[in-house]
Amino acid sequence: GDSVTQMEGPVTLSEEAFLTINCTYTATGYPSLFWYVQYPGEGLQLLLKATKADDKGSNKGFEATYRKETTSFHLEKGSVQVSDSAVYFCALSDLETSYDKVIFGPGTSLSVIP
Amino acid sequence: DAGVTQSPTHLIKTRGQQVTLRCSPISGHKSVSWYQQVLGQGPQFIFQYYEKEERGRGNFPDRFSARQFPNYSSELNVNALLLGDSALYLCASSLDRRPQRGYTFGSGTRLTVV
Repeated sequence: GDSVTQMEGPVTLSEEAFLTINCTYTATGYPSLFWYVQYPGEGLQLLLKATKADDKGSNKGFEATYRKETTSFHLEKGSVQVSDSAVYFCALSDLETSYDKVIFGPGTSLSVIP
Repeated sequence: DAGVTQSPTHLIKTRGQQVTLRCSPISGHKSVSWYQQVLGQGPQFIFQYYEKEERGRGNFPDRFSARQFPNYSSELNVNALLLGDSALYLCASSLDRRPQRGYTFGSGTRLTVV
């Protein structure tokens, strides 16, 4: 079945460092891809999304490009801030096989230190 | 505008008891989905309800049930609680059946079974 794999955390970075969180997926059809973020004690928030190959989703300085050839959707940010400390979830939704749900990866915890 | 509201925020139950969790979606959203997030893992799909009908069900036992009301609010019921049901239960609101547009999540209900 469809699945999402993320790099294991926790990831610890200094403020203003470059961030990459790797995400790869397995899907039968042509899924939409998402990054959600969960701040401590809160629910998940949609960070960005992409619906077709080569689309780039972006928000709040974060970017991810839908790479169909490598089945990847890596999250990047050029300069992280302490306020970016959170858990990041890569996710997919496949119209063909899982019309009604989103499949989430296990999450990657990010800590940014001053 | 109010976001997705869930109640209660926390509760503690004893094994074997029953629990009801509540969710009010964003005004105008007709779909409510429920997810279970065990500590340290990504959310797992439980149900989707759209227009008051169950439209999708995840791999959860029959002890889990849900319903959606005419005002689109929803309840999740869990019977015969087990220790393994301890988790954060998240409600996700969306305009229609397609989660490909992205969800808006509530802050969740933290259930502890002792």
